[in-house]
Amino acid sequence: EVQLVESGGGLVQPGRSLRLSCTASGFPFGDYAMSWVRQAPGKGLEWVGFTRSKALYGTTEYAASVKGRFTISRDNSKSIAYLQMNSLKIEDTAVYYCSRRSGADAFDIWGQGTMVTVSS
Amino acid sequence: QSALTQPASVSGSPGQSITISCTGTSSDVGSYNLVSWYQQLPGKAPELIIFEVSQRPSGVSNRFSGSKSGNTASLTISGLQAEDEADYYCCSYAGTTIHWVFGGGTKLAVL
Repeated sequence: EVQLVESGGGLVQPGRSLRLSCTASGFPFGDYAMSWVRQAPGKGLEWVGFTRSKALYGTTEYAASVKGRFTISRDNSKSIAYLQMNSLKIEDTAVYYCSRRSGADAFDIWGQGTMVTVSS
Repeated sequence: QSALTQPASVSGSPGQSITISCTGTSSDVGSYNLVSWYQQLPGKAPELIIFEVSQRPSGVSNRFSGSKSGNTASLTISGLQAEDEADYYCCSYAGTTIHWVFGGGTKLAVL
């Protein structure tokens, strides 16, 4: 079964860091780009960033709202994608989803999400 | 403010058809046939229902269809069913700087 499972969410103070993990199974992880998408409470979806496939060296791109603070990486041997979040702000509070980017440039598989709450 | 504009809510009766619009610009929806739509049931993760403007993933009902004209994409749901009650989001590729943009979401009520 194709599956993505996020972990690592929780309560963190403003200015601190948190690392999320996305563990994949059921497909050749290294062959796919992996994205992070977030959803603030009661709000819509926001693309956060992605890492390209191993064929494209896992290079990364980010939304302007997180660039310079968030870093995406991947470990193809473990089928895990990471989202390192530094200098967290209250407005980063959201459910964070990881998703697989299909060959048709759509997000075809989603994890269940992990909640990140930034609060003092 | 979301990059793509969707109506906040739409409603319809069982059996009817509804259409949700998604308006972008010539830099996103208007430039690429890479519009996708997602259904998000309450408390659940989004699920892909349309990709490349009008293609349905395997297993998605043919009651869902997509189209695009200029800078506006549309999702049509025919033969509305109670189980279609959900939030719907459009998404478009927006080039190598912005990459992807989502709409603000539309809440569908089946009355």
